[in-house]
Amino acid sequence: ETGVTQSPTHLIKTRGQQVTLRCSSQSGHNTVSWYQQALGQGPQFIFQYYREEENGRGNFPPRFSGLQFPNYSSELNVNALELDDSALYLCASSPKTEYNSPLHFGNGTRLTVT
Amino acid sequence: GIQVEQSPPDLILQEGANSTLRCNFSDSVNNLQWFHQNPWGQLINLFYIPSGTKQNGRLSATTVATERYSLLYISSSQTTDSGVYFCAVDLQGGSEKLVFGKGTKLTVNP
Repeated sequence: ETGVTQSPTHLIKTRGQQVTLRCSSQSGHNTVSWYQQALGQGPQFIFQYYREEENGRGNFPPRFSGLQFPNYSSELNVNALELDDSALYLCASSPKTEYNSPLHFGNGTRLTVT
Repeated sequence: GIQVEQSPPDLILQEGANSTLRCNFSDSVNNLQWFHQNPWGQLINLFYIPSGTKQNGRLSATTVATERYSLLYISSSQTTDSGVYFCAVDLQGGSEKLVFGKGTKLTVNP
């Protein structure tokens, strides 16, 4: 059983640029959630995708957008990067059920905006 | 929105010591999970525990949902236990849209 994998592991971008981060969910998991973790803080929920549709969104502006593909993998896109977007971006997958289940996180992508 | 508070913010132990980490939350929850983030940033799920008590080796957790708190116990700590421990909660059943606390940073010295 493969776990959640994210790419790239590290990324450096310039303010105003756009970035795409990728996530492959754990085998059998059809729901993908993205979190942003600033230095010294807990992760913050960005949005969740289920069956290729956005299924809930946290307090993030529209320049944060995403996609989910038929194989349940996902992308996070951030436009017009700002310095405060520098953070660890974490992807988590879970099986969509009526009940809660443990979240499984990838190792994250560390984004630095200069 | 729901508030999640963790204490203490920092904890330094000698190897072999025991510790208790606390998580208070401001509303009734359907989902409470404890995570360990190692120094390399990897976030590992320790417990899914919306109520009751669970044990896994040297770690155990108790959630008293009616009093809105959860405790994580670490016994006979090891240097590999170092890292940040997060509590995360969710109001809705089946959503996994978690609200995290700020974490407890644990340092275990040899």
